[in-house]
Order: sequence, then structure tokens, then C-alpha cells
Amino acid sequence: GNSVTQMEGPVTLSEEAFLTINCTYTATGYPSLFWYVQYPGEGLQLLLKATKADDKGSNKGFEATYRKETTSFHLEKGSVQVSDSAVYFCAPLADSSYKLIFGSGTRLLVRP
Amino acid sequence: DTGVSQDPRHKITKRGQNVTFRCDPISEHNRLYWYRQTLGQGPEFLTYFQNEAQLEKSRLLSDRFSAERPKGSFSTLEIQRTEQGDSAMYLCASSSSGTRTDTQYFGPGTRLTVL
Repeated sequence: GNSVTQMEGPVTLSEEAFLTINCTYTATGYPSLFWYVQYPGEGLQLLLKATKADDKGSNKGFEATYRKETTSFHLEKGSVQVSDSAVYFCAPLADSSYKLIFGSGTRLLVRP
Repeated sequence: DTGVSQDPRHKITKRGQNVTFRCDPISEHNRLYWYRQTLGQGPEFLTYFQNEAQLEKSRLLSDRFSAERPKGSFSTLEIQRTEQGDSAMYLCASSSSGTRTDTQYFGPGTRLTVL
């Protein structure tokens, strides 16, 4: 079945550091891929998405590229801010379904 | 566009009681989803509707759980005879019907605590 693996957190960085959060998935097809973010005390928000191979999703300085050959969708940001502190979830769409398969989430803590 | 709303935001109940949660999707969205999120974990899919039809249910959705969307607008999720293991955040999301690339927009969730 479908699954997703995210790097374990917490990830602690200093402000302006480079961020990478790894995400790999299993699927029989080519699912749409999503990153959601959950800020403290808030609901899930879409951060970015990619719908086909080699697509790059981007938003708020975050980027992720759909890598079909490695079944990966790693999240990157060149310079993190304290306000980026949150939990980040990678989520592909399941095969032949409309449900999202979420990873366990990666908590990011950015220190001033 | 007021976003997905859920009611109540918090619910505390005693084991064995029944609870019902409501979700109001974004008005033009005809797909509606329920997920459950336990502490420190990612959301897990429970069920989804397209209009009023319930098209998929997870094995997580035991016989004590029932979801409805009678007029294809709001949805309710009922849990009968609650157990302590039902304590979680229940999330609702909605999307429009176009394609499988449609983004799911999430509500703030209902946090259930079963004592």
C-alpha cells in the first residue's frame, strides 16, 4: 500500500539557516504530492504541491521538486525565519483514491 | 470564502457517551473528507464524500463511527459509545471535484477528550 517516510524531528536551526526536510513515498503510480504546515495551535494549511514528475512547487520561499526516479519530494528553504517554526507534513495522494497519506510530521524549531 | 468550519472546537465526554461533530465545507466544494490526528502523528484518513455519497471508508472507521452528508453540504461525524482510544483531533477537509490534483482545505478540527 501507499506510505510516506519523513525525516524525524525535531529539526532545530538558527535563523537564516538552510532547511531540508526529506520525504520519500511509495506508490504504484504518479500521485500528486503535497506539503502541509501546522503552526502551533492552528489547523493544517497547504504549503505547496506538485502534480507531475519534475514539477517544482513553491510558496513563501519554500520549494519542493517531484522526483519520480527517487520517489522523493524534499522540502527546502534557503533562509528560515523564527516564524517558520511549525510541524511540516508530506502527503501524497493514495493510489486510485482521493485520500491523502500523511507522514508523521517533522517539527521545525527556528531560534533567533 | 470563509473556509472550512468545524463545531465544536473542543469536546470532553465520558466513556460510553455518544458525540457528534459537524463540518461545514467551503461552499462550492463538493468533496468532503474526515481525518483523525492523534498527538504527535500525522492525520489518518477516515472517510470521504462526493456530494451526498460516501465513496470510501477506512478500516479505522469502526461500527461505532458513522458519517453523513445528507444534502451534500455540511457533514456530521458521530461516535457512539466513546472509548478513551477515540481521544484525538478530528479534522474535516473539502475540495472541489475537478481532478485528483485538487487541494484539500482543512478546518481547525474538533479536539475530543474521552475521560
